Amino acid sequence: GDSVTQMEGPVTLSEEAFLTINCTYTATGYPSLFWYVQYPGEGLQLLLKATKADDKGSNKGFEATYRKETTSFHLEKGSVQVSDSAVYFCALKSGAGGFKTIFGAGTRLFVKA
Amino acid sequence: EAGVVQSPRYKIIEKKQPVAFWCNPISGHNTLYWYRQNLGQGPELLIRYENEEAVDDSQLPKDRFSAERLKGVDSTLKIQPAELGDSAVYLCASSLVPSAPYEQYFGPGTRLTVT
Repeated sequence: GDSVTQMEGPVTLSEEAFLTINCTYTATGYPSLFWYVQYPGEGLQLLLKATKADDKGSNKGFEATYRKETTSFHLEKGSVQVSDSAVYFCALKSGAGGFKTIFGAGTRLFVKA
Repeated sequence: EAGVVQSPRYKIIEKKQPVAFWCNPISGHNTLYWYRQNLGQGPELLIRYENEEAVDDSQLPKDRFSAERLKGVDSTLKIQPAELGDSAVYLCASSLVPSAPYEQYFGPGTRLTVT
């Protein structure tokens, strides 16, 4: 079945450092890919998405490119801020999967001032 | 626009007791989801509704869990009786339609602790 694997956390960075959180997926068909963010005490919020190969999703300085050849959707940000501290979830959804969203286990990011 | 509303935010019960969670989706959203999120894990789908119909409840433990979405708006998820392993955050989400790329909007969740 469909699955998402993302790098284990926690990831600890200093402010203004470069961020990469790796995400790879296994899916039948052509899924849409998502990154969600969960701030402490809040629900998940969609951060960005990409619906087809080579699409780049971007939002709030974060970006991720849908790489079909490597089945990856890595999250990057050039300069993180303390306010980016949260848990980040990679996810996929495909029609072949019955429109079920499959989430990775999440990666916790701590950014130090 | 109001987001997805869930109540209560926190619930502590003893094992074998019943518990219920309530969700009000974003107005106009036909699709409603209930997820369970265990500590340190991503959300896992329990049930998906399209309007009043439960179209995917394959992951719902039907011996103790039940859900309803009367009139295709609000929804209630119930556990009876609760077990220690049910301790988790229960998330409700809604979307216009289920198909990608339409995103899901999540509520803040109900954190359940079973003692």
